[in-house]
Amino acid sequence: GENVEQHPSTLSVQEGDSAVIKCTYSDSASNYFPWYKQELGKGSQLIIDIRSNVGEKKDQRIAVTLNKTAKHFSLHITETQPEDSAVYFCAAFYSGGYQKVTFGTGTKLQVIP
Amino acid sequence: NAGVTQTPKFQVLKTGQSMTLQCAQDMNHEYMSWYRQDPGMGLRLIHYSVGAGITDQGEVPNGYNVSRSTTEDFPLRLLSAAPSQTSVYFCASSYSAELNTEAFFGQGTRLTVV
Repeated sequence: GENVEQHPSTLSVQEGDSAVIKCTYSDSASNYFPWYKQELGKGSQLIIDIRSNVGEKKDQRIAVTLNKTAKHFSLHITETQPEDSAVYFCAAFYSGGYQKVTFGTGTKLQVIP
Repeated sequence: NAGVTQTPKFQVLKTGQSMTLQCAQDMNHEYMSWYRQDPGMGLRLIHYSVGAGITDQGEVPNGYNVSRSTTEDFPLRLLSAAPSQTSVYFCASSYSAELNTEAFFGQGTRLTVV
């Protein structure tokens, strides 16, 4: 099965700085990599995703990069704001369908005003 | 508002007690699933359903039962709670079980078994 490692587990940045969270996966058959933002009392929401045939995807202040050779993908948040403070999870979907998904262990991001 | 509704938000059980975590969605999603979240272990799939009347086991199904009598509801039952089931539980739904389908999550249920 798939194994996903996520680092760091906690991250504190000053408002306006950039934040980077990295995930490494093991199964080369994985081909879809979403990132979820989990806020207290709000559940988890998909914030950005990337397929294995794309190297980078950007949505305003959020970007995701994928290195298939090294089997890692990263979440980049620029110009961080206090409302970016949350727990972020990466996930890797591997062959067989949606239900075969492995999540990372989560990163608690704190943006200091 | 459309979305996934989980109840209760918090629950304390004694060892051996039973309870049902409720999950309902009003988006006519076929795919629903339950996860548990434990420190350092991320989200792990407990059970999932690809449609009414169809359920299957995920990564950590032991100690949990599910049913899917309607498209909207997907309750998770703990028949005899154990301290190892202390965790935060999330229900999720999506339009289909295909890849690249956005999943909507409930707000979570924090369960403590003493």
